[in-house]
Amino acid sequence: DAGVIQSPRHEVTEMGQEVTLRCKPISGHNSLFWYRQTMMRGLELLIYFNNNVPIDDSGMPEDRFSAKMPNASFSTLKIQPSEPRDSAVYFCASSSRQGRQETQYFGPGTRLLVL
Amino acid sequence: GESVGLHLPTLSVQEGDNSIINCAYSNSASDYFIWYKQESGKGPQFIIDIRSNMDKRQGQRVTVLLNKTVKHLSLQIAATQPGDSAVYFCAEAGNQFYFGTGTSLTVIP
Repeated sequence: DAGVIQSPRHEVTEMGQEVTLRCKPISGHNSLFWYRQTMMRGLELLIYFNNNVPIDDSGMPEDRFSAKMPNASFSTLKIQPSEPRDSAVYFCASSSRQGRQETQYFGPGTRLLVL
Repeated sequence: GESVGLHLPTLSVQEGDNSIINCAYSNSASDYFIWYKQESGKGPQFIIDIRSNMDKRQGQRVTVLLNKTVKHLSLQIAATQPGDSAVYFCAEAGNQFYFGTGTSLTVIP
């Protein structure tokens, strides 16, 4: 099993640009999570999906952030327009049961730097 | 608000010694707990989990202890090795899911 796949692994962009992060969950998993990790705030849950449907997006910072899951094998997290304070590592995770009560398997993360 | 917190942000141990990493949680509704290990430049990696109907669970060189009375969780690593050096997070799940702030474990050869 290839595990959770994220792309790109690194992204450097300028303030105001659109950023799209991509995630492919583990095949057969039906829950997908997006996290952001910074030194100051640690790991923060941004949004999670069950069976491609967004369940809880209360962690999404603001309207500049949006996430989609058009099918069971693909999700995107978009930031438009990006700001320097969005610089962080963004992780995608998936699990095999609905909701939070199952082990989540994390991808390698996307390191985003907004200049 | 309710949160997960760690008692010790850093921990240094000699190779071969046992390590104990502690975690306090405050959400009494949480009934599933997980320990993750995160190495530099990588995503968190599942180590071991425990449900609230248990107070102890063992894995390979790791043991998780759950004390629901005082809302305390610990991870014990036996015969700590240099490869165990990482940041360890506890996470709790119930009606919400939270990660702790992490403890950095350094193994001294």
